[in-house]
Amino acid sequence: GAGVSQSPSNKVTEKGKDVELRCDPISGHTALYWYRQSLGQGLEFLIYFQGNSAPDKSGLPSDRFSAERTGGSVSTLTIQRTQQEDSAVYLCAISGWGNYGYTFGSGTRLTVV
Amino acid sequence: QKEVEQNSGPLSVPEGAIASLNCTYSDRVSQSFFWYRQYSGKSPELIMSIYSNGDKEDGRFTAQLNKASQYVSLLIRDSQPSDSATYLCAVNIMGGSQGNLIFGKGTKLSVKP
Repeated sequence: GAGVSQSPSNKVTEKGKDVELRCDPISGHTALYWYRQSLGQGLEFLIYFQGNSAPDKSGLPSDRFSAERTGGSVSTLTIQRTQQEDSAVYLCAISGWGNYGYTFGSGTRLTVV
Repeated sequence: QKEVEQNSGPLSVPEGAIASLNCTYSDRVSQSFFWYRQYSGKSPELIMSIYSNGDKEDGRFTAQLNKASQYVSLLIRDSQPSDSATYLCAVNIMGGSQGNLIFGKGTKLSVKP
């Protein structure tokens, strides 16, 4: 969606390889979120960043997953030693001041073969 | 654990009918409520927000909120085939982990011509 750019839009990788997914939000957001959505399933929370606070990593499914946000803006989600069950759409979302909901990026479709 | 519940559907309605989508939530102190529409293969898009008890209308869409009963609904009047999508209910939570919103798993709506 407008305001959040994700890249790549599609990624096919071999099992065991590492991948990096990028989220580039507009300036002025206060929080950034990563979700995963498997085919036909709901949103699965992974991690979120808010201000300078330590990120909430409570949704990361294993230690193969990590994320960082640089300069309070661009975020990268890294999956090490990818497995077939990691295949999903990875969505980045942002929110601003007040309770006005989230804006989602268009997502990265990850396929592990 | 704070939850948002939706009937997964599919909900099938004929073109021109009213589609009614329901959502219940567990956190009594929630103040902000959102409906997202997600077309197949696309990311969620915010279509309605509601903060006060009662109805809020926007074109063919009406959101209804009843905080005492802890439910929020979305009515789509004069349903069109282009309304066929999955509709996600999201509710803000206070002081919780995983960010500020909890998402339901979504209701799949199919509008038949």
